[in-house]
Amino acid sequence: GIQVEQSPPDLILQEGANSTLRCNFSDSVNNLQWFHQNPWGQLINLFYIPSGTKQNGRLSATTVATERYSLLYISSSQTTDSGVYFCAVAAAGNKLTFGGGTRVLVKP
Amino acid sequence: DAGVIQSPRHEVTEMGQEVTLRCKPISGHNSLFWYRQTMMRGLELLIYFNNNVPIDDSGMPEDRFSAKMPNASFSTLKIQPSEPRDSAVYFCASSLVTRKDEQYFGPGTRLTVT
Repeated sequence: GIQVEQSPPDLILQEGANSTLRCNFSDSVNNLQWFHQNPWGQLINLFYIPSGTKQNGRLSATTVATERYSLLYISSSQTTDSGVYFCAVAAAGNKLTFGGGTRVLVKP
Repeated sequence: DAGVIQSPRHEVTEMGQEVTLRCKPISGHNSLFWYRQTMMRGLELLIYFNNNVPIDDSGMPEDRFSAKMPNASFSTLKIQPSEPRDSAVYFCASSLVTRKDEQYFGPGTRLTVT
């Protein structure tokens, strides 16, 4: 099956800093989503982005499908950005395969 | 608009007991998914339904697990008998196929089997 790798596995940021999270995948995809799992365990949809670039407030994402990677940018990080960020892809149909996540801690 | 609803939010049970987890998808969505999250294996798909029909159950760990979707607004995941290794957070998600499969997750059920 498709492989999804996220980097870095852990990230510690000072409040106000910017960061980039990366997601590599091993095959062509027709669905790519970024999620934020908050400290209460909820999975929050951030982006549906099988290709192209999207922005939502301080977050933006870019997927280069031909090169099989996606990037999530966090600008001016806040403590509420802490949690685990997951990338998930579907190569065919709608079976999502999740990466291992990037655990982000934003310090005040 | 209500999101995906799951119940119970927490379940503690003893080994050998039957456990039933419930899910109500977003109204109008026609695909439903059950995922499990553990520290060891991360988030993994167990089974999914399209239009109430099970499409792929290859992720169901063994015969102790079963899932049903009797109608478009309700699904259950049953574990019988439960074992301590089933302890995990179980998520339900739904999507609308015509919107290119963007999936929305419920709050999850945290299951502890002692």
